[in-house]
Amino acid sequence: EPEVTQTPSHQVTQMGQEVILRCVPISNHLYFYWYRQILGQKVEFLVSFYNNEISEKSEIFDDQFSVERPDGSNFTLKIRSTKLEDSAMYFCASSVGDTIYFGEGSWLTVV
Amino acid sequence: AQSVTQLDSQVPVFEEAPVELRCNYSSSVSVYLFWYVQYPNQGLQLLLKYLSGSTLVKGINGFEAEFNKSQTSFHLRKPSVHISDTAEYFCAVSDPGAAGNKLTFGGGTRVLVKP
Repeated sequence: EPEVTQTPSHQVTQMGQEVILRCVPISNHLYFYWYRQILGQKVEFLVSFYNNEISEKSEIFDDQFSVERPDGSNFTLKIRSTKLEDSAMYFCASSVGDTIYFGEGSWLTVV
Repeated sequence: AQSVTQLDSQVPVFEEAPVELRCNYSSSVSVYLFWYVQYPNQGLQLLLKYLSGSTLVKGINGFEAEFNKSQTSFHLRKPSVHISDTAEYFCAVSDPGAAGNKLTFGGGTRVLVKP
């Protein structure tokens, strides 16, 4: 069964460093997403991406964040200058109809 | 704006006993409803979904949920749990009229199945 894959599974970075989280969505899907889950809190929507542009973003998704689909398969989330509060599990997801399919997540720890 | 409330943060249950996880939502529009499960150290896996039609929906691993529009609820049930059902369960809603089906999640319910 096709699945969303994410790399890395874990990353530790120093505050102020740039981080890129990578995702390969399911191949025939049209919408791509990033969600995050801070430890002990809800899963929160960050951004959705369709037709090579952002279709919606939350207030969390400020200028420190960006997304890109650099080729036909990868979908990346970049955090330009990480803060301690960016420590979270980041989930990539994709959809083609009414159901969103999630990857296994990338744990980001900012120290 | 939509919101989802999962009333129980943790539910301990004995193996082979039934379990019900409660989910209530608020929305000014009609909704699609979902339950996702997160097993330890894994991602979010879709258990079941309600889009329209029959209010009782069946999902994987013996789970089912019932949509109740008047009570704005979508409670998840399983008649007999297994140790392997130990996981965190998330209820979520989306707006069928919106492009892209952005999900709004509840806070999750952690189920611990005891032998």
